Amino acid sequence: AQSVTQLGSHVSVSEGALVLLRCNYSSSVPPYLFWYVQYPNQGLQLLLKYTTGATLVKGINGFEAEFKKSETSFHLTKPSAHMSDAAEYFCAVSELEKVIFGPGTSLSVIP
Amino acid sequence: DGGITQSPKYLFRKEGQNVTLSCEQNLNHDAMYWYRQDPGQGLRLIYYSQIVNDFQKGDIAEGYSVSREKKESFPLTVTSAQKNPTAFYLCASRRGGSLSYEQYFGPGTRLTVT
Repeated sequence: AQSVTQLGSHVSVSEGALVLLRCNYSSSVPPYLFWYVQYPNQGLQLLLKYTTGATLVKGINGFEAEFKKSETSFHLTKPSAHMSDAAEYFCAVSELEKVIFGPGTSLSVIP
Repeated sequence: DGGITQSPKYLFRKEGQNVTLSCEQNLNHDAMYWYRQDPGQGLRLIYYSQIVNDFQKGDIAEGYSVSREKKESFPLTVTSAQKNPTAFYLCASRRGGSLSYEQYFGPGTRLTVT
């Protein structure tokens, strides 16, 4: 079975600083990878996804992620954090008919 | 405007009562899912359905039941057998045909049982 790990259950950054949220997956086949964001008391919203092709994927709200097969990683980045980025972020991978989610990383942005 | 609706947003029940959470989608998606979310525990899969009249247990199905009589509807019943039902419940749907398709989520229902 596939699995997803997210290093750091909580990350704090200053407003304007680089955001880096880490995600590693285990998969024996080429993976389909996703990043979702969840604001308090809301559902999840897709930020971006990797299927095939270009390994650098751009998403909404200025986020991007790079698929690195050799490192089995799909880290999420944003050059400059905004207060509105404070939320929970989930990395996920497709496994047959299911989607396997990581435990999530809570991002705080300090003014 | 296509999407997933869950109702109600907040639900309160007394212990020992069954309660049904609604999930409707108008995206024409084949697959639908129910997740439970507790603080600090991420998403845990309760049940999922790939086609009408068929569904499978997820990782934490005990104490829950579902039905899929229509493509657009996938209600979840939390039974009195569920030991700790207070949680945030999320419904999702996904287009069929490829594992590359993402899930779309509803706004969630927060269930409190006292």
